[in-house]
Amino acid sequence: NAGVTQTPKFRVLKTGQSMTLLCAQDMNHEYMYWYRQDPGMGLRLIHYSVGEGTTAKGEVPDGYNVSRLKKQNFLLGLESAAPSQTSVYFCASSSPPRGEVRTDTQYFGPGTRLTVL
Amino acid sequence: AQTVTQSQPEMSVQEAETVTLSCTYDTSENNYYLFWYKQPPSRQMILVIRQEAYKQQNATENRFSVNFQKAAKSFSLKISDSQLGDTAMYFCAFPTLGIVGRSGGSNYKLTFGKGTLLTVNP
Repeated sequence: NAGVTQTPKFRVLKTGQSMTLLCAQDMNHEYMYWYRQDPGMGLRLIHYSVGEGTTAKGEVPDGYNVSRLKKQNFLLGLESAAPSQTSVYFCASSSPPRGEVRTDTQYFGPGTRLTVL
Repeated sequence: AQTVTQSQPEMSVQEAETVTLSCTYDTSENNYYLFWYKQPPSRQMILVIRQEAYKQQNATENRFSVNFQKAAKSFSLKISDSQLGDTAMYFCAFPTLGIVGRSGGSNYKLTFGKGTLLTVNP
């Protein structure tokens, strides 16, 4: 049981290049999330998904696209990378809450450090 | 808007001593959970402890405990008998309402504080 994995762990891009970050989870979780972490900013939600084929915008979605074609995978795409997208990216997943109580504990991947020159 | 505030950007403590990290939040909700996550130098985000707002009793996990003051909207983390391995960034997190899932249940996304860097000194 690997939990949440992210590919790649590190990447350096030039401005204008594109790339896709892959997140995979083997816990059969319904919900998946992409965050970015910048110094002094904590974690900020980029996009998230509440099920296969369903995605939604978070706090900072501009410049990113996502897809959830399979339940276990959540892809984050950068179509034209910019230096402002230099960050550490985290993927997380969680199980649906039960009843009225918010029990949504998220489990995180190890992160991807992306540098855009 | 629902917010989470951690007012201490950095803290330090001597090994074996006790330290308390503060967190305040703002919400109009009544039933919710609160979380503390730890991020060591390895960068991995690790769940430390969570508190259920409708429970009077403060949550405890070994050396980690919370002081939850619902009326004051305060959720502090106490680390007893600090160890060198406790050196990390600590984030307080609060779930905020997202979109409705296919199962009909509500989805909650986490809003994080900006973190407190804790250093445990030998």
